Amino acid sequence: EPEVTQTPSHQVTQMGQEVILRCVPISNHLYFYWYRQILGQKVEFLVSFYNNEISEKSEIFDDQFSVERPDGSNFTLKIRSTKLEDSAMYFCASSLKGSDTEAFFGQGTRLTVV
Amino acid sequence: GESVGLHLPTLSVQEGDNSIINCAYSNSASDYFIWYKQESGKGPQFIIDIRSNMDKRQGQRVTVLLNKTVKHLSLQIAATQPGDSAVYFCAETQTGDYKLSFGAGTTVTVRA
Repeated sequence: EPEVTQTPSHQVTQMGQEVILRCVPISNHLYFYWYRQILGQKVEFLVSFYNNEISEKSEIFDDQFSVERPDGSNFTLKIRSTKLEDSAMYFCASSLKGSDTEAFFGQGTRLTVV
Repeated sequence: GESVGLHLPTLSVQEGDNSIINCAYSNSASDYFIWYKQESGKGPQFIIDIRSNMDKRQGQRVTVLLNKTVKHLSLQIAATQPGDSAVYFCAETQTGDYKLSFGAGTTVTVRA
């Protein structure tokens, strides 16, 4: 069964450092998303991406965040200067059509900012 | 603001019994709803979905009910098994939107 894969599974970084979280969406999917989940809280939307541009972003997705699809398979989330409050699980998801169709989530990257 | 939420944060159920997990939503424009299951350390896993033109949909051991009048969504799990222990989230969106709004989650614990 096709799946969304994320690397690394766990990333520890120092405050102020840049991190890049990587995702390989399902190959024939056209819509890509990043969500995050702070420990014990609900899943929060960060950004959606379609046709090589951002479709929608939340208030959380400020200038410190960026997304990129550098090639035909990868989808990345970059945080330029990490803050302690960026510590969370980050989930990548993809869907064949828009978000009103089934979105498949990856296993997540646990980001710990120290 | 409008949000998706759950009535109860935890549910303890005896193995073999049926489970009912509830969710209230407030965005009347939402027309697509999904239930996700999240096991510890894993990403949300799709369970079942329903569109606003339906009020009931059944899957394997699961049923989702949608009451648009009171903006209520529920997930019923038949013959709950230990493997059903997880956090369950409802999520909503609307056609043409590009994001899912998740509820707070209900932790289901199955007692042997």
